[in-house]
Amino acid sequence: GAVVSQHPSRVICKSGTSVKIECRSLDFQATTMFWYRQFPKQSLMLMATSNEGSKATYEQGVEKDKFLINHASLTLSTLTVTSAHPEDSSFYICSASWFANPYEQYFGPGTRLTVT
Amino acid sequence: AQTVTQSQPEMSVQEAETVTLSCTYDTSESDYYLFWYKQPPSRQMILVIRQEAYKQQNATENRFSVNFQKAAKSFSLKISDSQLGDAAMYFCAYRILTGGGADGLTFGKGTHLIIQP
Repeated sequence: GAVVSQHPSRVICKSGTSVKIECRSLDFQATTMFWYRQFPKQSLMLMATSNEGSKATYEQGVEKDKFLINHASLTLSTLTVTSAHPEDSSFYICSASWFANPYEQYFGPGTRLTVT
Repeated sequence: AQTVTQSQPEMSVQEAETVTLSCTYDTSESDYYLFWYKQPPSRQMILVIRQEAYKQQNATENRFSVNFQKAAKSFSLKISDSQLGDAAMYFCAYRILTGGGADGLTFGKGTHLIIQP
């Protein structure tokens, strides 16, 4: 149980375009979803936290207008990178937790974004 | 702000031997969770072990155990009988314990564990 999927697993986009990454909880209702960013050979950095039906809470230094997060249902959260630039190239990982076990996070497999 | 420090960028151990990965953290909170995650080359994050700060007993999961020293803010991971499949990046992580549970993880920089056959 507690499976989280991400789509796509890899995406290449041109500079200036927008790209959407989906995060789905497949067998549980994710009351909270988290988005992390991981640069090569570095750690995961929390970007934002989203609760279903509410606006996302962004970490300091993360541009909310550039990284749009929507958590419209209990099984789906999306991260849209708007007007992408090469420096946005990174590995994006989502995780989800649910009310029955709020202290456990279940991670998706990640999405590698390359902006050319 | 909470910080997590892993002072060993890389560790190497012979297969079947025991290795200890270090982690220290800084927080003003009294209730929190600590975790060790494994990230193999696939990049999928895998939970290795979890420790609740209010529990004095150290957590164990088969070959994995922790040495949790709350006063010293230290949380080391011991891997016994190391196996080739243990080779991965290991991240120490911290999470505050709130009623809603809606807090993200703060990760250390990771330790790359190499298993020598």
